[in-house]
Amino acid sequence: QLVESGGGLVQPGRSLRLSCTASGFTVDYHMSWFRQAPGKGLEWVGLIRRKASGGTTEYAASVEGRFTISRDDSKSILYLHMTGLTTEDTAVYYCSSDGTTPMSTWGQGTLVTVSS
Amino acid sequence: DIQMTQFPSSLSASIGDRVTITCRASQDINNYLAWFQQKPGKAPKSLIYSASSLQGGVSSKFSGSGSGSDFTLTISSLQPEDFAIYYCLQYSTYPWTFGQGTKVEIK
Repeated sequence: QLVESGGGLVQPGRSLRLSCTASGFTVDYHMSWFRQAPGKGLEWVGLIRRKASGGTTEYAASVEGRFTISRDDSKSILYLHMTGLTTEDTAVYYCSSDGTTPMSTWGQGTLVTVSS
Repeated sequence: DIQMTQFPSSLSASIGDRVTITCRASQDINNYLAWFQQKPGKAPKSLIYSASSLQGGVSSKFSGSGSGSDFTLTISSLQPEDFAIYYCLQYSTYPWTFGQGTKVEIK
């Protein structure tokens, strides 16, 4: 399973780091972050490829240059480092992992609220 | 960016009904299309990947079809636990994009 943590209330302009910890399976897969603003649909945030594929990243335009995805496979943790937060970033953030099939496992989500 | 048009945005159906939801991409997405179910306050659950492949552990009452840019999700016999919001996602080209969602409600 995947468990997100690190969410909370943060002021505009500040930074926050989310973690996604895997248990019971290897994280040697492509992993993604998604988010869902209150009452809205799902939005893809970004992806990090497995180390064997270079560990490279892709991002949505709305977060490019402000958010960074990284991974520590030795600890089975995926990170989302968010900077320059705005009220538009208020959402539940979900991590997802590929397995033998794409996006097969999802975490329960962590709420990030950006407000002064 | 690839636009995903999903319809209907909502539907009312009865227990036992066959339900079909459609997703149309603005260009060919090479069948890199996934379907998700989301219940209130819960994380999305992956149902279908590669347009028509069922995720492990998902009921066979769910099926996906289509190719190119037109795709459908079918629920063969609607049950109480199937009332939820369903989303399609194209993962052919970055940025990945979702459809707007279809809310399936009880008639």
